[in-house]
Amino acid sequence: EAGVVQSPRYKIIEKKQPVAFWCNPISGHNTLYWYLQNLGQGPELLIRYENEEAVDDSQLPKDRFSAERLKGVDSTLKIQPAELGDSAVYLCASSLRAGGPHNEQFFGPGTRLTVL
Amino acid sequence: QKEVEQNSGPLSVPEGAIASLNCTYSDRVSQSFFWYRQYSGKSPELIMSIYSNGDKEDGRFTAQLNKASQYVSLLIRDSQPSDSATYLCAVGLMEYGNKLVFGAGTILRVKS
Repeated sequence: EAGVVQSPRYKIIEKKQPVAFWCNPISGHNTLYWYLQNLGQGPELLIRYENEEAVDDSQLPKDRFSAERLKGVDSTLKIQPAELGDSAVYLCASSLRAGGPHNEQFFGPGTRLTVL
Repeated sequence: QKEVEQNSGPLSVPEGAIASLNCTYSDRVSQSFFWYRQYSGKSPELIMSIYSNGDKEDGRFTAQLNKASQYVSLLIRDSQPSDSATYLCAVGLMEYGNKLVFGAGTILRVKS
């Protein structure tokens, strides 16, 4: 069974440029998460999707970040314009569901973003 | 403030020893607890989940949960150099749709 797929793996951009990250979750997983991980820290949730609905985007900086999961499968996270402080690893994860006590999340390989 | 606390380490143990990693959390209603292993430059990999008080064993790994003390631990028996990594504790917050809150991780170094 294929795991969570993300692309690109690495991205280097100039500040004020736009950037987009793509994620395809594990087949059959209804819940998709985007996390941000800074060096030396644990992942922090940006947004959670249940199928195509964004049910928790409270931590997403909406002035510059946007996300979509139009058909309830793959998802795109966009930053426009990027700032120096956005340099981090962007992780996508998926789980069968978020409800109930069992919520095993599986991570993709991540996209390492460097903003110059 | 929902918090998950871990000692950042590094925790150094000799090969073959037991490594003990600890985590405390502040949210009393948390119901799900996870340990992830993260190698340098890689993404987190789920190694253990635990939902009930007590011990859960899987191979060389044992997770221990004490909800009354708000404490979860991970024991690694017969530690190997390949176990050297950062171990992240994550706690699911039921009132937030099982949102996972991660600790900053403990660096484990197994010396051969």
